[in-house]
Amino acid sequence: GAGVSQSPRYKVAKRGQDVALRCDPISGHVSLFWYQQALGQGPEFLTYFQNEAQLDKSGLPSDRFFAERPEGSVSTLKIQRTQQEDSAVYLCASSYPGSSYEQYFGPGTRLTVT
Amino acid sequence: AQSVTQLGSHVSVSEGALVLLRCNYSSSVPPYLFWYVQYPNQGLQLLLKYTSAATLVKGINGFEAEFKKSETSFHLTKPSAHMSDAAEYFCAVSERGTASKLTFGTGTRLQVTL
Repeated sequence: GAGVSQSPRYKVAKRGQDVALRCDPISGHVSLFWYQQALGQGPEFLTYFQNEAQLDKSGLPSDRFFAERPEGSVSTLKIQRTQQEDSAVYLCASSYPGSSYEQYFGPGTRLTVT
Repeated sequence: AQSVTQLGSHVSVSEGALVLLRCNYSSSVPPYLFWYVQYPNQGLQLLLKYTSAATLVKGINGFEAEFKKSETSFHLTKPSAHMSDAAEYFCAVSERGTASKLTFGTGTRLQVTL
């Protein structure tokens, strides 16, 4: 079956622009996670949804970052007034109850802020 | 708080040689442990996971890892390296029992030489 998909795969934004990154989880997956992976680093947790409820947003680095999942399926991560330090790969993962909540990752969106 | 330490940011082995990638974790309660592999410009793929069943866990592509509580370790091994194993490897930890965020190490880049 189809895996987790993310779009766009690459995004170049000028400093100060707003961007929106999309994640399509695996059908039926209740949980959805966003991670940020800086160059040469491991992914770092940003936020977590269970269905449409955002249960944990403790990893969002500033109030410029906002995520939503209004119908409990597709999720969008929005970054307002982008800064150079926002340049990273943004990974989305989904999981379902059981199987130890194994997370399935999408290919990521590489954001470059110039 | 949970954390993961991966010793060695770069490991180089000859084709056919043993692969050993080290991971130590810190957690106040018994965690779930994972190894993920990341190929260039791709998302993370699960190699194997420990969820409190057998302490020796076998994964895909001939990899295995052993959970050692006394050493708080979860090292990844493969008896014989193949050129296709060259990639970035991440150890991760999460809480048990609930859909929980992953905390990743900084990664180990595996190089396989002829």
